[in-house]
Amino acid sequence: NAGVTQTPKFRILKIGQSMTLQCTQDMNHNYMYWYRQDPGMGLKLIYYSVGAGITDKGEVPNGYNVSRSTTEDFPLRLELAAPSQTSVYFCASRRPGNYGYTFGSGTRLTVV
Amino acid sequence: SQELEQSPQSLIVQEGKNLTINCTSSKTLYGLYWYKQKYGEGLIFLMMLQKGGEEKSHEKITAKLDEKKQQSSLHITASQPSHAGIYLCGADIRTASKLTFGTGTRLQVTL
Repeated sequence: NAGVTQTPKFRILKIGQSMTLQCTQDMNHNYMYWYRQDPGMGLKLIYYSVGAGITDKGEVPNGYNVSRSTTEDFPLRLELAAPSQTSVYFCASRRPGNYGYTFGSGTRLTVV
Repeated sequence: SQELEQSPQSLIVQEGKNLTINCTSSKTLYGLYWYKQKYGEGLIFLMMLQKGGEEKSHEKITAKLDEKKQQSSLHITASQPSHAGIYLCGADIRTASKLTFGTGTRLQVTL
């Protein structure tokens, strides 16, 4: 099992550019999440999904969009990159119920 | 304000010493998770606690969830350099489907 796979691992964007951070899991987990981690800080929830076709906003959704067309994939879209979006992005998934979250290895994004 | 407060924010201990990290919430916790993060890397799951009074151990790391389910502690016995990293507590606070994180505790272990 690959678990939760995130691509790319690193990316530098110019202000105003757009990109999609990919996240896929092979554990058939219903719940998927996107977090960002700023330097020296904990993780903040951007968006989450409890199943295919269902998404909802977290604490810091502005500037981002998501979609969940399949159980496996949960891409995060940045439309107009801003320096404030420089961060490390983590995708996570889990089964419904009292189970732990599995995290990907992260995408380090720099907006210049 | 932070819904989950971790203390201390950073810690430097000598190898072989014991240490404790605390995670406090103003609300009842549905589930409490401890993760470790090596600098620049992803999160490694350590333990999950759900029941008030629950205690779990793995190797030299023990975590407890207090009876009122609003505070957890992580205790490391006889620390080693391999324990260095950032320890994050995460909790299901409002609902059992969204994990809220504390700000983390940065641990350094000196020789």
